[in-house]
Amino acid sequence: DTAVSQTPKYLVTQMGNDKSIKCEQNLGHDTMYWYKQDSKKFLKIMFSYNNKELIINETVPNRFSPKSPDKAHLNLHINSLELGDSAVYFCASSQTSGGAGETQYFGPGTRLLVL
Amino acid sequence: AQTVTQSQPEMSVQEAETVTLSCTYDTSESDYYLFWYKQPPSRQMILVIRQEAYKQQNATENRFSVNFQKAAKSFSLKISDSQLGDAAMYFCAYRSATWSNYKLTFGKGTLLTVNP
Repeated sequence: DTAVSQTPKYLVTQMGNDKSIKCEQNLGHDTMYWYKQDSKKFLKIMFSYNNKELIINETVPNRFSPKSPDKAHLNLHINSLELGDSAVYFCASSQTSGGAGETQYFGPGTRLLVL
Repeated sequence: AQTVTQSQPEMSVQEAETVTLSCTYDTSESDYYLFWYKQPPSRQMILVIRQEAYKQQNATENRFSVNFQKAAKSFSLKISDSQLGDAAMYFCAYRSATWSNYKLTFGKGTLLTVNP
C-alpha cells in the first residue's frame, strides 16, 4: 500500500499549457507539502498545508496554485507553463503532533518536462 | 533563515568499507530536527536517519549513524559496511521545531558511489 502517491509520474507538455499534479497520502497525516527539485538536484519547499490551511507559501510564481480539498489530498496546478518549470515535483506529508520528529514522507515524484 | 551545507559534492567508498558524509548548518534556533535522506536513481526520497536537537545521544539505524555536534552545528552521517545498494544521492535536511515553519531545508546533496 503506497503511503504517499502522486499522479502522474511523468508529464511532458508544451509551453503555455496548464497542468495539474495530484497527491494523496493514506498515512493519516495532517500536513502536506510540495517541493521542487531542479536539474541540479536541489530541493526547495514550495507550499505547505495543515488541515487544508495554507501555512507555508515560499516565493513561488502565482502561476502555481496549490489546492487541498481535504487533509489527505494536495494538488498542484500550474498555469502557463514555462521552460523553467521543468523539474521533479515531490509531494510529502507529516504529522505535526505526536513528538515523532514529524518526519516527512515523500511521494515518488512527478517529472515535468516543458518543451 | 536556516542554511544547510554539504561540502562534498561526490564521495566514493569500497564495498564493505566505512564512509562519512559531512553536513553543517546554520541556525539561531535551539530546538530543531535534522535528517538524512537518500535518493537512489529511482528518485524516491527515503529517510535514512533522524536526530532531535535536544537529544545528546547520536542516532543510529543499523549500519547508519550520525555524529551530531550541536555547538559546532555539524551533523555527519557514517555508513558502515557499505553495500552496493547504498549508492545514491544523500541529502542533509534541517527542520525547525517552530509551528508553521515545518519545511525541510536541504543541502545540495552528496553523490555516493560504492565500488565493488
